[in-house]
Amino acid sequence: DAGITQSPRYKITETGRQVTLMCHQTWSHSYMFWYRQDLGHGLRLIYYSAAADITDKGEVPDGYVVSRSKTENFPLTLESATRSQTSVYFCASSVRDRRTPNYGYTFGSGTRLTVV
Amino acid sequence: TQLLEQSPQFLSIQEGENLTVYCNSSSVFSSLQWYRQEPGEGPVLLVTVVTGGEVKKLKRLTFQFGDARKDSSLHITAAQPGDTGLYLCAGETSGTYKYIFGTGTRLKVLA
Repeated sequence: DAGITQSPRYKITETGRQVTLMCHQTWSHSYMFWYRQDLGHGLRLIYYSAAADITDKGEVPDGYVVSRSKTENFPLTLESATRSQTSVYFCASSVRDRRTPNYGYTFGSGTRLTVV
Repeated sequence: TQLLEQSPQFLSIQEGENLTVYCNSSSVFSSLQWYRQEPGEGPVLLVTVVTGGEVKKLKRLTFQFGDARKDSSLHITAAQPGDTGLYLCAGETSGTYKYIFGTGTRLKVLA
């Protein structure tokens, strides 16, 4: 089905382990984003990508790594998970075309990550 | 650091009532969006406003962008239980396609 899909939906991992969250979109949107959502902090940008092989840091990038070898995929890796990275992670994509009346983000359904 | 403050944080009203949610910042945004998020799902885009003073309507929802492009409001007329959710505003900084999100307004409409 067309859209933006995240996997897994739920993940429990141990402190110190590496974990990768997957994000796949079928629209060929150029821009993709990773946000984390925490109570009291709202949605905070971790990393974003303007196109394949172009990535940049957001507001809270420490402890995370991204790659984008193909336009449709934008995985997020936690190199050594910590309890403070327990959160709900959202991937989003966006068209660049401002002529679209309501241009903006399309979000995935999220991955709920618990680090124990 | 740019901040978007939303008020109120929580709102519980009866079906049929009207309400307004506010989104304020000291920063100027090139565009501003409103999203609604339901439990267990990602936010869903409702509207994007671009021009200062712009007003957009989506059925019973009216969105306004402040003249100085620093604030916005969402007005819901005759709220229904289906309007229940977390409402988020998001401001775009200087045409970067990056959005800063407000902390949200959690709305509950009681039947």
